[in-house]
Amino acid sequence: SQQGEEDPQALSIQEGENATMNCSYKTSINNLQWYRQNSGRGLVHLILIRSNEREKHSGRLRVTLDTSKKSSSLLITASRAADTASYFCATYINQAGTALIFGKGTTLSVSS
Amino acid sequence: DSGVTQTPKHLITATGQRVTLRCSPRSGDLSVYWYQQSLDQGLQFLIHYYNGEERAKGNILERFSAQQFPDLHSELNLSSLELGDSALYFCASSEEGRMNTEAFFGQGTRLTVV
Repeated sequence: SQQGEEDPQALSIQEGENATMNCSYKTSINNLQWYRQNSGRGLVHLILIRSNEREKHSGRLRVTLDTSKKSSSLLITASRAADTASYFCATYINQAGTALIFGKGTTLSVSS
Repeated sequence: DSGVTQTPKHLITATGQRVTLRCSPRSGDLSVYWYQQSLDQGLQFLIHYYNGEERAKGNILERFSAQQFPDLHSELNLSSLELGDSALYFCASSEEGRMNTEAFFGQGTRLTVV
């Protein structure tokens, strides 16, 4: 089952533009994480935002979290061709066991 | 390099066969997660082990099983393989099984069932 759902499913932009991806989730969370996957390769952790945080920055990445709306957004500023990848949000579900559940992802294509 | 090693990288096998996928977590990580990624199902959580014990189970078929050994490496066993089992299988590791840590992914095993 999916915990997070990303929106849009696909996004195409030009280099230099900003890219915004959204994630909605269903249950209460301790934190929300964003990962990137280059085609057919392993996922790479980008950023983790805790439930008591509202915004976090890492380089060209800005993540926001709204626990009242159960949603998060990932903003990539000044996109580069190398940012072309799939982006996933992930949360640990708060029940017995600690399963890290991923959404279906947003596929970002940045053209030069 | 994430520090998580998965072998083999590619595997081609026939329907009805059994295969074993291996994962070595990052040094010091006690948790191992297994995922299946296919085009139509996305990244599906299969199972989580922490320090040798099963901690959480997801959409794992009865034909699939996993274990984590005392040296913390893990194996995912897939039996009676079907064409639909063709997918990328990832393992990930994290420290101590706490819910406040990031996961580190291996490069995956691409399984093709013919």
